[in-house]
Amino acid sequence: QVQLQESGPGLVKPSQTLSLTCTVSGGSISSGGYYWSWIRQHPGKGLEWIGYIYYSGSTYYNPSLKSRVTISVDTSKNQFSLKLSSVTAADTAVYYCARCSARYEHFDYWGQGTLVTVSS
Amino acid sequence: QSALTQPASVSGSPGQSITISCTGTSSDVGSYNLVSWYQQHPGKAPKLMIYEVSKRPSGVSNRFSGSKSGNTASLTISGLQAEDEADYYCCSYAGSSWVFGGGTKLTVL
Repeated sequence: QVQLQESGPGLVKPSQTLSLTCTVSGGSISSGGYYWSWIRQHPGKGLEWIGYIYYSGSTYYNPSLKSRVTISVDTSKNQFSLKLSSVTAADTAVYYCARCSARYEHFDYWGQGTLVTVSS
Repeated sequence: QSALTQPASVSGSPGQSITISCTGTSSDVGSYNLVSWYQQHPGKAPKLMIYEVSKRPSGVSNRFSGSKSGNTASLTISGLQAEDEADYYCCSYAGSSWVFGGGTKLTVL
């Protein structure tokens, strides 16, 4: 059973960089076949896809966030990470990491989510 | 990349059937048979209910079904149960990216 777990600071100051890590267990990022994704949910709102990384390191980002987003992978630790720069209060959200089937394009496993609040 | 359009809320009585619509464009829903649906209970992570428009993952009740016509996808839940009360989100592949719907709150009366 694949499990994903987000970790990182729950409070970030405006203009700083939000950094989160997703640790994957029960499966290897290096095995291929999946896009390792970040998705966020603003309080009381819908879901927003942020971007993904493939085990090879190739990435694709939501065009609306592209200038501020970096997703990286550490296959030796079976982890992938999100960095979102120049954050504002509008980036306050629950951030989820999720696995996406590269063939069927759906998110089959999700982390529990972590709330990140942007405030001074 | 605009969000897919879903009704804000739907409701039904136990045992009844409801349908949630999800309208996109020819760049997402209309172009790919890669629509998925997610159920989210309060404070929980989304759970995959339907993928590739109409396929159910192992363990998901056959009371859940999906379909698509043109730029609109639909999720139908038959034999409503109290445990089905949750938020539901559609999602479509849009060519190297994904777009979600705004979500629909299902109330079981």
